Amino acid sequence: QQKVQQSPESLIVPEGGMASLNCTSSDRNVDYFWWYRQHSGKSPKMLMSIFSNGEKEEGRFTVHLNKASLHTSLHIRDSQPSDSALYLCAARGNTGNYKYVFGAGTRLKVIA
Amino acid sequence: EAAVTQSPRNKVTVTGGNVTLSCRQTNSHNYMYWYRQDTGHGLRLIHYSYGAGNLQIGDVPDGYKATRTTQEDFFLLLELASPSQTSLYFCASRDDQDTQYFGPGTRLLVL
Repeated sequence: QQKVQQSPESLIVPEGGMASLNCTSSDRNVDYFWWYRQHSGKSPKMLMSIFSNGEKEEGRFTVHLNKASLHTSLHIRDSQPSDSALYLCAARGNTGNYKYVFGAGTRLKVIA
Repeated sequence: EAAVTQSPRNKVTVTGGNVTLSCRQTNSHNYMYWYRQDTGHGLRLIHYSYGAGNLQIGDVPDGYKATRTTQEDFFLLLELASPSQTSLYFCASRDDQDTQYFGPGTRLLVL
């Protein structure tokens, strides 16, 4: 079973709308989370990271982290067709071995 | 931005064949990673390394060997390829801010 679960598997939002993506780890040793974005036919690129409880905002993108529930969410406001991509959540423990576990991803489609 | 290159970009082999995938990064990052990407599974870690001569086992290592010959070069070896190893393979390196930089990927088909 995937240790990092992402939901939904796919999401369609209208241009200008809000997209909300979720990610939860079942491994209690996880301490750090990342969101990567992968456009079709391309390699993943880091979008945002979050290591502390709370919220972090960068432009149209906001991530939340609740360490007690090991849950992070990514919110994209004013979604654009160029945001259409596979969004991957990654997690790492605090044991110092720098090993990352990725979720299966959420495929976002923004329609004009 | 960190540069990671992979070769070949596409490879076709037969069952039982021998395949070597190459990865090079030019940013002096210590950590390098090999992942496979399959629909429904996201990225799964095969092997990783924190420096020349070092190898760490990932989550799906069966059927794969890896070797880190230099700071820059990390190789993934499939000595008896099987159809289940048909996949998209990514190499990545990690910087000190814990960001991974991915190469363009190698698409492998095992017939």
